[in-house]
Amino acid sequence: GQNIDQPTEMTATEGAIVQINCTYQTSGFNGLFWYQQHAGEAPTFLSYNVLDGLEEKGRFSSFLSRSKGYSYLLLKELQMKDSASYLCAVMDSNYQLIWGAGTKLIIKP
Amino acid sequence: IAGITQAPTSQILAAGRRMTLRCTQDMRHNAMYWYRQDLGLGLRLIHYSNTAGTTGKGEVPDGYSVSRANTDDFPLTLASAVPSQTSVYFCASSDHDRESGELFFGEGSRLTVL
Repeated sequence: GQNIDQPTEMTATEGAIVQINCTYQTSGFNGLFWYQQHAGEAPTFLSYNVLDGLEEKGRFSSFLSRSKGYSYLLLKELQMKDSASYLCAVMDSNYQLIWGAGTKLIIKP
Repeated sequence: IAGITQAPTSQILAAGRRMTLRCTQDMRHNAMYWYRQDLGLGLRLIHYSNTAGTTGKGEVPDGYSVSRANTDDFPLTLASAVPSQTSVYFCASSDHDRESGELFFGEGSRLTVL
């Protein structure tokens, strides 16, 4: 079956760096997405990786290794507003998105 | 710019009742989707539509139906609600011409079936 694994919850300190990992097993691969979802709100798009390597976008970076079925989202200079759930999703060979359950990130002062 | 509008925002419904969740987008996106989100689970696709006039079944379609009469509207109907359909429902759209195919989500409809 298809599976996306990411930690359920992580805690980090304001101003620090945190890495949220995502491993996947899917039928084919057509890209990996990261979304941010604040409590009670809609998910919003953060990043898209289809080739191996690091994509940097401001304080957020996303890495992909297709051979290892692995990605991570790196958040630098953490701010309190970064407290949210981070959703990893993979597009399979049928162009369907398979979603992980999300990682709840708690930022402490 | 409204993006995607869902209604109602929240609803409590008696089991056995019929309910339609409305979804409208103003971005002229060709693809639209309905997901449900439950605690501890990833978003699960209920139904989708790649273009006006066509629909398809997702991962959890049973008990739900959709229609796509035009580009903008994509209502989701629960013909006879059951308690297991208690969830948060998100409508989303995407433009297939975008390389990333990112999804744009509505604010969600929280449905409680008693």
